[in-house]
Amino acid sequence: GAGVSQSPSNKVTEKGKDVELRCDPISGHTALYWYRQSLGQGLEFLIYFQGNSAPDKSGLPSDRFSAERTGGSVSTLTIQRTQQEDSAVYLCASDREAGTGELFFGEGSRLTVL
Amino acid sequence: GQQLNQSPQSMFIQEGEDVSMNCTSSSIFNTWLWYKQDPGEGPVLLIALYKAGELTSNGRLTAQFGITRKDSFLNISASIPSDVGIYFCAGHYNTNAGKSTFGDGTTLTVKP
Repeated sequence: GAGVSQSPSNKVTEKGKDVELRCDPISGHTALYWYRQSLGQGLEFLIYFQGNSAPDKSGLPSDRFSAERTGGSVSTLTIQRTQQEDSAVYLCASDREAGTGELFFGEGSRLTVL
Repeated sequence: GQQLNQSPQSMFIQEGEDVSMNCTSSSIFNTWLWYKQDPGEGPVLLIALYKAGELTSNGRLTAQFGITRKDSFLNISASIPSDVGIYFCAGHYNTNAGKSTFGDGTTLTVKP
């Protein structure tokens, strides 16, 4: 597709369940980011992938959060044993070229943990 | 870690007025960027600045990269209702393509 695609757009889950959020970046973009946006808040960095380099996981809030990127393209963010404070919009972005900082965002996945 | 202070937090203005918002940091950046987010959407890049002192325009938007590399501002002239949204600044330090740090956003409301 032309832009960054995220799925699902909305996810409601029960506390304690695991969830997977998917991101399909723009074709050819080598860098991929995950950010979290809580209601009325700014963007909180979670994790960053660049080519074949080891990902920068410094923003993951706990070991319940993990992400992988297969084949340098699609990425999956997994949250295990979800908690109510995990409720937020999870945004994925890709960068056409390493180092520009010019991010193209998807529309986000809104997660609600009951 | 790096933190950006973005102000004001919110603005309520009349259509046709000019708007100014800014971002400051305790750290220097190589790149300053401004994004706009509409409800239910992801942020969209408005302007990118790559050089200290640089002044860049995009239509009614003008942004500057501060001389100290620790601040940036965004001006919107002659606001219109579709300018409504949340504006985010972001600082980027591109060593080994590091992550961007975002401000908390300025929510703009434009009254017709």
